[in-house]
Amino acid sequence: DVKVTQSSRYLVKRTGEKVFLECVQDMDHENMFWYRQDPGLGLRLIYFSYDVKMKEKGDIPEGYSVSREKKERFSLILESASTNQTSMYLCASSQEQDREQYFGPGTRLTVT
Amino acid sequence: EDQVTQSPEALRLQEGESSSLNCSYTVSGLRGLFWYRQDPGKGPEFLFTLYSAGEEKEKERLKATLTKKESFLHITAPKPEDSATYLCAVQAFGGFKTIFGAGTRLFVKA
Repeated sequence: DVKVTQSSRYLVKRTGEKVFLECVQDMDHENMFWYRQDPGLGLRLIYFSYDVKMKEKGDIPEGYSVSREKKERFSLILESASTNQTSMYLCASSQEQDREQYFGPGTRLTVT
Repeated sequence: EDQVTQSPEALRLQEGESSSLNCSYTVSGLRGLFWYRQDPGKGPEFLFTLYSAGEEKEKERLKATLTKKESFLHITAPKPEDSATYLCAVQAFGGFKTIFGAGTRLFVKA
């Protein structure tokens, strides 16, 4: 079974802090994704990576950056956290771009 | 613009009461339509992929169908453990993005 793990289930940070969210997958998948999920809005893509050191912006990349130094690990970075970044963050991976995605358990981030 | 609309937003059923969830989509060339289940506080779990109109997939009490404009997730004789949010998502040819709907929250009462 594919397993996607995220470094924290819950995180509370202060406005202006730099925040790192880590995601690791164990199935050698090429593609990894970061989404945020807000009530009534569904999942929105922040960034996508299709290979080590390769990335594409999603629909809402402002205020975020990513890093993929190893195939199994994809990190999301909030350069200067703001209250409007309070959300559930979900990481996912897939074997091919047009195949199903496997999601981690999510990190609920609160910025105060 | 590619778009996915799910209805209803919430559905309350009695145990054993069959029903359907709807997913309407607008996409410039459908590459695939996906259904996921999401339990509270957890990440979505993959259920089905449908690629072409007329295609059907089944898993236990769930059956997904696809037309050129919409997909249905039919739930036959649901049980309380089927309570969850069901997400529909689409991918278009020529892109890497998966567009998700806002989901339908299903409550099944014993």
